[in-house]
Amino acid sequence: AAGVIQSPRHLIKEKRETATLKCYPIPRHDTVYWYQQGPGQDPQFLISFYEKMQSDKGSIPDRFSAQQFSDYHSELNMSSLELGDSALYFCASSLDPRQLANYGYTFGSGTRLTVV
Amino acid sequence: AQKITQTQPGMFVQEKEAVTLDCTYDTSDPSYGLFWYKQPSSGEMIFLIYQGSYDQQNATEGRYSLNFQKARKSANLVISASQLGDSAMYFCAMREGAYGQNFVFGPGTRLSVLP
Repeated sequence: AAGVIQSPRHLIKEKRETATLKCYPIPRHDTVYWYQQGPGQDPQFLISFYEKMQSDKGSIPDRFSAQQFSDYHSELNMSSLELGDSALYFCASSLDPRQLANYGYTFGSGTRLTVV
Repeated sequence: AQKITQTQPGMFVQEKEAVTLDCTYDTSDPSYGLFWYKQPSSGEMIFLIYQGSYDQQNATEGRYSLNFQKARKSANLVISASQLGDSAMYFCAMREGAYGQNFVFGPGTRLSVLP
């Protein structure tokens, strides 16, 4: 079965550079979520989109922005990268939770961003 | 306040034995979902099992079962017949509300299965 696809799997950037992470949800999933997991930390919710509109916002820095496109894929744009941005970034997708309460997520394999 | 508590930073279990990973949660919402995820060293987050707040029976998925004690707000994961491949980080997570948008994760428990 198709899963959530994230690209790239690994990314190395220098401080103050920009990075773009991509997420392709499971077909027919219309909701996308982004999480950040620092080294030795639990994942922290960043932002979510439903039907191309931002639906919820967590601890996403102002230097980061994200959007969901017409094909439901999403991109997380990160500017002025800092060493502390080094983390594993997960994307997850689901059907509209308002339609299926307590429906689970499927996570992608993550993008490991290293800022040097 | 921490919404998900996992009090065991690390656990060891002998191969073929059963192990229980603890999880307690805090919510005032009557509708919520509890999830367990496994994260091996490769990093991907693998869904294991789900328990809804209104479910009458404990969830089971193969070797995984969830010991759900609603009054105590605990949702412990039981892994039976541990295998070497079970060595990983295990995260308990909660999704609040009937239309909850995002997960809150616990700090995780690192399970090591010994041969």
